[in-house]
Amino acid sequence: GQQLNQSPQSMFIQEGEDVSMNCTSSSIFNTWLWYKQDPGEGPVLLIALYKAGELTSNGRLTAQFGITRKDSFLNISASIPSDVGIYFCAGQYQAGTALIFGKGTTLSVSS
Amino acid sequence: NAGVTQTPKFQVLKTGQSMTLQCAQDMNHEYMSWYRQDPGMGLRLIHYSVGAGITDQGEVPNGYNVSRSTTEDFPLRLLSAAPSQTSVYFCASARFGVSGAGPGNTIYFGEGSWLTVV
Repeated sequence: GQQLNQSPQSMFIQEGEDVSMNCTSSSIFNTWLWYKQDPGEGPVLLIALYKAGELTSNGRLTAQFGITRKDSFLNISASIPSDVGIYFCAGQYQAGTALIFGKGTTLSVSS
Repeated sequence: NAGVTQTPKFQVLKTGQSMTLQCAQDMNHEYMSWYRQDPGMGLRLIHYSVGAGITDQGEVPNGYNVSRSTTEDFPLRLLSAAPSQTSVYFCASARFGVSGAGPGNTIYFGEGSWLTVV
């Protein structure tokens, strides 16, 4: 089945640093989504990407849909303590198929 | 987590017991799904549905049954609970189903159900 490889698995950074994480797939996806999960809660959508090459920002977050449609990255600029959490990428191949998730990147920010 | 309601939030079961996790959405979403989340494993898809009357297996379907008799509800049934099913379960829904994802068709998660099987 389709799988997403998300990296890094965890990150420990200082407040103010920029963060980059990515997801790759062995097969093509036509939709990429990025989620953040806080402890004890469900994942919340950060950014959605629907076209190859698309670059979308949401505040300090920027995500891109890779040209090959097999990868996507998420950047967080000037990190703050509330950025702590688990970040998930997710992809959908085509209409009527399931949304597949990566294993997540756990972000820790020290002030 | 707008519009996706999961119950119960916490449950302890004995091995061999059966139970149903309920999920309901009031957004007329086509797509509904169940994921389980375990440490270091991310969100793994159990079952999903792209519309009423249509269900399909995900990555880890064994030990779970689902049905989709209405657009609003997508219950997850554990027929004979096992300790390996101790996990956090998330229901998720999206407007897309057979119509496919697109702007505005993003997926929404419930708040989770913490299940412990002893």
